[in-house]
Order: sequence, then C-alpha cells, then structure tokens
Amino acid sequence: DAGVIQSPRHEVTEMGQEVTLRCKPISGHNSLFWYRQTMMRGLELLIYFNNNVPIDDSGMPEDRFSAKMPNASFSTLKIQPSEPRDSAVYFCASSPRGQGFWTEAFFGQGTRLTVV
Amino acid sequence: AQSVTQLGSHVSVSEGALVLLRCNYSSSVPPYLFWYVQYPNQGLQLLLKYTTGATLVKGINGFEAEFKKSETSFHLTKPSAHMSDAAEYFCAVSGSGGYQKVTFGIGTKLQVIP
Repeated sequence: DAGVIQSPRHEVTEMGQEVTLRCKPISGHNSLFWYRQTMMRGLELLIYFNNNVPIDDSGMPEDRFSAKMPNASFSTLKIQPSEPRDSAVYFCASSPRGQGFWTEAFFGQGTRLTVV
Repeated sequence: AQSVTQLGSHVSVSEGALVLLRCNYSSSVPPYLFWYVQYPNQGLQLLLKYTTGATLVKGINGFEAEFKKSETSFHLTKPSAHMSDAAEYFCAVSGSGGYQKVTFGIGTKLQVIP
C-alpha cells in the first residue's frame, strides 16, 4: 500500500486566495483525521471523519476552513479566504478502526502551506 | 480534559548514550498513551503505545516506555542512541473507550552527537 497520500506537498499562495488540500487515505481505513502543525501550537486536530461522516470538527479554527469526505478514498480541506496565519504544515492521517484513536494512525507526509 | 507536557523541547545526547525523553500527562479517564517520531519533512510514525496490560511497552527501533500511573508519566527511553534516532518525538494521550480526541505534546527534538 502506498500509505496516506497528500497533495500538494508544498503550496504557496497569496492572502485572500482559496486553497484546497487533498488526501487519499489508506484503502480500508474508515477513520480520517486532518491535523495542523505549527511551531507555536504544535499538532492540532482540526477534524475527524468516521465512515465519511464528520464526527468532531471542534478544532476547525473558523468558518474559513471547511472539510469534506465525499467517499472513502478522498478528502479535502479548504481554506477560503486564506490568511498568512494559516501558514503551517497540514497532515492527513487515517486509521483502520471505527472509533477511537487507540490503534495506530498512519500519517501522510503533509502539505506545507505558505500564505504570503 | 487531557493534556501532555513534554519536558525539554530540545535534547542532545552522544552516540551510544542513553536516550530519555520525558512525558507527563493529565487525563480525567484512564488514558491511552502514544509516542510518535517525526523525521524531517515526513509525517508522524507510531513508535509505541500503551492501552492496557503491561506497563512497560516496547516499540520499534529499540525504544521503550513505561506507564507510571502514580507519577502520571510515560517517559521514552533507549539504551544506546544511534545517529539515525535524530528526529522529533511526540507524546500523545487519549481517553480510553469510544471516540476520544488525541492530544499531542509540543514535541522534543532529539540531537545525537557523534
């Protein structure tokens, strides 16, 4: 298996532009997580999907952020409009269990977003 | 509510020396505890985890950690550091049962000096 695949690996965009990050989880995994990593705040959970349904989006910072999972093999995280403070590395992770994080979560390589 | 404190954002050890990375947690329910490693420009990879049972947990690459409930600690150790161990290490905690959000520590960067 190729693991969790994220695209793009790097994104540079201007403030105010829409940004879409993409994730393909490992086949057969039914839990998907989006995380944001910054120097100041560390690793923060943004949203958790189970069987394509958002279960916990309490970490989504504001309405400019939205996430979708239209099917079991694809998810997007969208920021519209983007701001410089959104600059971070965004990770997608998937897990084979229905609930809980007590089993191993597999992380993608991340998307480094820079908003100028 | 739960939280993780990793003592020391940067740790340096000599090659061959003991590695000790400290993690203390706070959880209102019995915790599940994890250590992840992140190499440069990579995602996080699970090193080891504690859920129930034996409190000394062995992981990959020779690492192990001991769950000490009385001390609310889950320190990561390795008897002899290798150059390839240089990376950032994250301790994480979640509650047991059902969906429980995982909380990560801020991370500890390990430098191995030849």
